Amino acid sequence: EVQLVESGGVVVQPGGSLRLSCAASGFTFNQYTMHWVRQVPGKGLEWVSLISWDGGSTNYADSVKGRFTISRDNSKNSLYLQMNSLRTEDTAFYYCAKDKEDSWSFDYWGQGTLVTVSS
Amino acid sequence: QTVVTQEPSFSVSPGGTVTLTCGLRSGSVSTSYYPSWYQQTPGQAPRTLIYSTNTRSSGVPDRFSGSILGNKAVLTITGAQADDESDYYCVLYLGGGSVVFGGGTKLTVL
Repeated sequence: EVQLVESGGVVVQPGGSLRLSCAASGFTFNQYTMHWVRQVPGKGLEWVSLISWDGGSTNYADSVKGRFTISRDNSKNSLYLQMNSLRTEDTAFYYCAKDKEDSWSFDYWGQGTLVTVSS
Repeated sequence: QTVVTQEPSFSVSPGGTVTLTCGLRSGSVSTSYYPSWYQQTPGQAPRTLIYSTNTRSSGVPDRFSGSILGNKAVLTITGAQADDESDYYCVLYLGGGSVVFGGGTKLTVL
């Protein structure tokens, strides 16, 4: 059974930094692209970032480019999102999602972790 | 402004059929955009319904189907049930290695 478990969401002040983690199990992690998707409470979903199976290719939404860094450790079956220069508008649930290969879509999702940026 | 467009809300009667659309503010959606669809109920993570335009994800009942209709991707739900009442999101691949979500459609079954 595929499982994705996010952690690291806390309350942080504007301008602060935070690293989210996603622990993956139930599939061969090092064979799949992974994504981060976020959702402001009560609002819609927003794609944030992706990383290729080997970490060699990454991409970001314009809203986070230059502030967030996605990474992975295949030896630990883990995905990360380093979030710097946080803004109040970054307050959201952050989901990690497994890529459905060859389809630019997602097939499995974690339950999400809440990041609150507030003074 | 949202590049990927969806109806903000829709309603369907129990047992009825509803078609939700996913379009572009400018241009037509084709299979090259790899449209996919997701269902989300309040407080829950999204659930994948459809990928690559019309392929159902594992475990998704065949009441849910996807296609291209005219210049939009569509999600059709036949025989709507009470637990289909959810938010539905589409995703399109717009090139450059990134994807974009639509604004979502809130479906009411009543």
